Amino acid sequence: GNSVTQMEGPVTLSEEAFLTINCTYTATGYPSLFWYVQYPGEGLQLLLKATKADDKGSNKGFEATYRKETTSFHLEKGSVQVSDSAVYFCALTLGNTDKLIFGTGTRLQVFP
Amino acid sequence: EPEVTQTPSHQVTQMGQEVILRCVPISNHLYFYWYRQILGQKVEFLVSFYNNEISEKSEIFDDQFSVERPDGSNFTLKIRSTKLEDSAMYFCASNLAGPRTGELFFGEGSRLTVL
Repeated sequence: GNSVTQMEGPVTLSEEAFLTINCTYTATGYPSLFWYVQYPGEGLQLLLKATKADDKGSNKGFEATYRKETTSFHLEKGSVQVSDSAVYFCALTLGNTDKLIFGTGTRLQVFP
Repeated sequence: EPEVTQTPSHQVTQMGQEVILRCVPISNHLYFYWYRQILGQKVEFLVSFYNNEISEKSEIFDDQFSVERPDGSNFTLKIRSTKLEDSAMYFCASNLAGPRTGELFFGEGSRLTVL
């Protein structure tokens, strides 16, 4: 079936460190891929997306590239800030369904 | 900035009781959704709703669940007879352009604890 697998958290970093959160997927067909972020006390919000292979989504210094050959969509940021502390969810959708399929989420904690 | 609001933020109930979770989607949105996350597990799709009817539901969304848009602003999820395994965070979401865009606007969630 269709699924998303994320790295276990929490990920703990110092401010200005480089961030990678791994995400791999299994899908029949050609999914669109997403990263959502949930800040403390808030709902999930879309961070970035990519709709086809080799597309790069980017927002707020975060980037992720849709890699069909490795079925991956890893989230990266060159220099994290304390304000990036949140839970990050990788997700996919396929054209024949209404639903987003999410991973379990990865908690990021950034310390000054 | 418009946002999706959910009430209650936390509800504790006894097994077998009925629960209604309420959501106020963003006012001009047309598509509405419920998702849930059992502690430590993935966020799971429950149901999508458009034009006053269910457009898709998951296998989780059995006869004990129902959704309704009773007026122009609220979107509710009812669980008729709660079970222990219904304990989860329930997220409401909405969007304007439909599910294919993947850009959903989520509320903060309602935590349901069934004892």
